[in-house]
This record gives sequence, structure tokens and C-alpha cells, in this order.
Amino acid sequence: KQEVTQIPAALSVPEGENLVLNCSFTDSAIYNLQWFRQDPGKGLTSLLLIQSSQREQTSGRLNASLDKSSGRSTLYIAASQPGDSATYLCAVSYDNYGQNFVFGPGTRLSVLP
Amino acid sequence: KAGVTQTPRYLIKTRGQQVTLSCSPISGHRSVSWYQQTPGQGLQFLFEYFSETQRNKGNFPGRFSGRQFSNSRSEMNVSTLELGDSALYLCASSPRSSRVGYEQYFGPGTRLTVT
Repeated sequence: KQEVTQIPAALSVPEGENLVLNCSFTDSAIYNLQWFRQDPGKGLTSLLLIQSSQREQTSGRLNASLDKSSGRSTLYIAASQPGDSATYLCAVSYDNYGQNFVFGPGTRLSVLP
Repeated sequence: KAGVTQTPRYLIKTRGQQVTLSCSPISGHRSVSWYQQTPGQGLQFLFEYFSETQRNKGNFPGRFSGRQFSNSRSEMNVSTLELGDSALYLCASSPRSSRVGYEQYFGPGTRLTVT
């Protein structure tokens, strides 16, 4: 069964800290991995998409890495801000067009001012 | 460019009724996927439509169905509603293109409450 797990389930850090969120997947035959953030009661906002042939992607203060062989991805957030507080979801796609994502349960991040 | 829009945003229905949710993808996107989000099960894939054809289907009963129109707009229908169908239903669109990419963009969701 294709499963995605995320550690930790919740994280609370003071403003300005650098932090790492982890995502693990059981089946390494992925096509894409995408990181999202979700604010309470809202839809998902795409952060970064990593194709299976790529090792990492960067956008501003965010950096996502992918290690297919070990079934892991990390999302690094530099210099965290209170506005980064949200739930971060990792999603993995196993079909050849990159759709039909399997989502992890998410990491709930609180950045304290 | 306008984002993914979903209507209605909130809906309250009674057990046994049916409901239709609508999703308008980002202009130029031909793929629309539907997801159900609940506190207990998290985000689960329902189905994906591409060029009016269902390309992928998740593990949901036949009460859940969908369709896509020639303008890429999609509708999702749930018949004989059950209390457990209460959830946030999210729609995502994607270019689904080797040239432009496969990134999924989500709408704000429709909050369905079944009483």
C-alpha cells in the first residue's frame, strides 16, 4: 500500500528559527512530489513541485529536497515568520502524468512572535 | 490569471439527498482532480478528469461521480448522502503537460455538511 507519513505532526518554534519538515513514502516509484500549505478552513497553496528526476527545488526561503531511493523528502524553511504558521502537506504522485496524489497527514507549524 | 474557483463554498444537505459541486479550473488547464478532506482520513483522491475523460479514480463508492465539460469545467455529484460524506471537497487543476508541467493548483473548497 502506498503511504505517506510526515514527522513531526506538530511543531512550535520562535520566530527567526530555521526548521525542517520531513516526509516519507513507502513506494519509491514516484513521478512527482509536491509540498503544500493549508491555512485553517482554506484550500491548499502549492509551495514546490519536485519531479522524480530532480533532487531539490527552491523558492524564496523554502527549499525542498527529494531522495527517491530512501523514500524521503524534506522541506526547509529559513528564518521562519509568524505568517508561516499553517499545516504543511506533502503529496506524492505515482501515475505517469503526475496526478492522483497520495497525501501525508501534514505537519501543523506554529511560529511564535 | 484567475485561480481555481469552486461553487458553492458552503452547503448543508440532509441524509439521502444528492448534491452537485462545481469547479472551474485555471484557464488553459485541462486536468481537474477532486479530493475529499476529513479530520479522520485526511486528504483522499476521488477522481481526475482530463479532456472530458475520467483518467484516474480513487477508492470511493459509486455514489461519488463526476464529469468534465468541453470547457474543462467539472462537476462532482454525490447521491444518497450519508453523514460520513460531511467533508471539505477540494478541486485541483493542472496543465498536465510535459511542456508546462504537472503542478496542481487547488481551489478554496466546498464545505459540505450532511445532517
